[in-house]
Amino acid sequence: DAGVIQSPRHEVTEMGQEVTLRCKPISGHNSLFWYRQTMMRGLELLIYFNNNVPIDDSGMPEDRFSAKMPNASFSTLKIQPSEPRDSAVYFCASSLLGVSGRTDTQYFGPGTRLTVL
Amino acid sequence: GEDVEQSLFLSVREGDSSVINCTYTDSSSTYLYWYKQEPGAGLQLLTYIFSNMDMKQDQRLTVLLNKKDKHLSLRIADTQTGDSAIYFCAEGRTGGGNKLTFGTGTQLKVEL
Repeated sequence: DAGVIQSPRHEVTEMGQEVTLRCKPISGHNSLFWYRQTMMRGLELLIYFNNNVPIDDSGMPEDRFSAKMPNASFSTLKIQPSEPRDSAVYFCASSLLGVSGRTDTQYFGPGTRLTVL
Repeated sequence: GEDVEQSLFLSVREGDSSVINCTYTDSSSTYLYWYKQEPGAGLQLLTYIFSNMDMKQDQRLTVLLNKKDKHLSLRIADTQTGDSAIYFCAEGRTGGGNKLTFGTGTQLKVEL
């Protein structure tokens, strides 16, 4: 299995530009998570999906951030317009939520390092 | 609410044991995890423990859980330079929708 795939690995953009981060979860997994990691705030959960449906987006910092999961094998996190304070490493993770509701292991992608100038 | 806390740094000598501590507040936590993050990489699962267990051992790793005090620890025996990384504890619960709450991470530095 290829694991969770994220693209791009690195993104450098200018303030005001639109940024789209992509994630392909592990095949068969039905939960997908977007995290942001910074030195100041540590690891923050932005949003997560179960069966392609957003369950909790309370961690999304502002309306500039949006996430979609059009199908079980693809998700995007979009920032429009981007600002320098959005500079961080963005991780995608996936897991399998069983019918029992038991929390299962999350598998992380390698992350996208975003720099907004 | 849920809160998971860890000390930020730990420094040990190669060959010594490392003990990384974590406290959590959610008494309904069902599963507790330890993840490792090496520089420039994502988080990798090291081990996990169910809340009805007190201890779990996996090679050089020993996890201790004190549910009464909501205290979790990870002991790494014979610590090597390759163990230098950030270690995150995380808690989850059945019915929580697969959401995990992560601690702040402990940076382990192994010195020669």
